[in-house]
Amino acid sequence: QQQVKQSPQSLIVQKGGISIINCAYENTAFDYFPWYQQFPGKGPALLIAIRPDVSEKKEGRFTISFNKSAKQFSLHIMDSQPGDSATYFCAASIRGNNDMRFGAGTRLTVKP
Amino acid sequence: DSGVTQTPKHLITATGQRVTLRCSPRSGDLSVYWYQQSLDQGLQFLIQYYNGEERAKGNILERFSAQQFPDLHSELNLSSLELGDSALYFCASSVVPSGGAGETQYFGPGTRLLVL
Repeated sequence: QQQVKQSPQSLIVQKGGISIINCAYENTAFDYFPWYQQFPGKGPALLIAIRPDVSEKKEGRFTISFNKSAKQFSLHIMDSQPGDSATYFCAASIRGNNDMRFGAGTRLTVKP
Repeated sequence: DSGVTQTPKHLITATGQRVTLRCSPRSGDLSVYWYQQSLDQGLQFLIQYYNGEERAKGNILERFSAQQFPDLHSELNLSSLELGDSALYFCASSVVPSGGAGETQYFGPGTRLLVL
């Protein structure tokens, strides 16, 4: 069963634009929400993560926005660059639970 | 480079066969996770080991099994292979046993399995 729904499936953005990827979850027990970035031929790598006690976390050009009541969280990539072109996965897990649930992924293409 | 190594990179085999995928975690990491990534199913958690013991099971088929050895490397065994088993298999490692809140999982480069 898919506990984390991610959209869109693919996204094309112009260089310098804002990329926005959304995720929604069902299990209110989730308390850790990481985003992973995956380049072709590579494994996913942790990009940024948030816990539900904050509504936003920013690291450089990457920001997670979290809406606990709506059970949604999103990744914003500001000033998107061609080097950001990759597949992005949102995920969710429960403290002490080893089963991390991933979204289906979003393939981002940033055009120069 | 995450520090997690996986071999082989590519594997082509036939239906009904058995294969073994190998993973070496980052130095110091005691926890190993296996994931399957296919086009239609996304990234699926299969199983986790911590310091040699099975810690958690996800969507792992009975035809699949894994183990973690005293030197902490892990192997994922896939048997009676079917066409639908064709996928990327990733290993990840982390320091602590529970890979949930706050514990980063570091992924290896993956093994691409093709079952013909």
